[in-house]
Amino acid sequence: AQTIHQWPVAEIKAVGSPLSLGCTIKGKSSPNLYWYWQATGGTLQQLFYSITVGQVESVVQLNLSASRPKDDQFILSTEKLLLSHSGFYLCAWSPGPQDTQYFGPGTRLLVL
Amino acid sequence: GQQVQQSPASLVLQEGENAELQCNFSSTATRLQWFYQRPGGSLVSLLSNPSGTKHTGRLTSTTVTKERRGSLHISSSQITDSGTYLCAMPPTGGNNKLTFGQGTVLSVIP
Repeated sequence: AQTIHQWPVAEIKAVGSPLSLGCTIKGKSSPNLYWYWQATGGTLQQLFYSITVGQVESVVQLNLSASRPKDDQFILSTEKLLLSHSGFYLCAWSPGPQDTQYFGPGTRLLVL
Repeated sequence: GQQVQQSPASLVLQEGENAELQCNFSSTATRLQWFYQRPGGSLVSLLSNPSGTKHTGRLTSTTVTKERRGSLHISSSQITDSGTYLCAMPPTGGNNKLTFGQGTVLSVIP
């Protein structure tokens, strides 16, 4: 069975500080990977997707970047956090781009 | 771009009542996907179906792609059904974007 893990569970960070959020998928080779963001009370927005190692496509620009250093790993990062980055970040995977997506437990981020 | 509208925005039911959640989408979709978002935030995939009706447990999803609408029926609601229900349109064409609606917040009370 496939499992998806996100870290950290939650973070409190200062404006201007760097951020790195991680996501790993076990039990599935070459998954399509996705990052989503949800502001408190807001709609889920897809940020990035990746269909293979080293390839990441941006969907929404939020002064964030993403990388896929390994087949089973997806990283979301920024060098300088903004207040507007606060929210809930979800990683997801699917077998293919049109397939059902399965979500991780999420990381809650508060920027002060 | 793609848009997904859900209604109602919120719904309060007494335990045992049925719920009907609606989803309308702006462009042709091959299917709709329904998710349950727990109060803590994580998402659980409920149903994903192209045009037609699909059942799992107390859930029934009906999608009419030609009319760009779908619905999720929850029968005999339970307190543990409380949370946010999201519908989503899958990517179209070469776009890998899953577009979510704003959700329906369901509260089931004793």
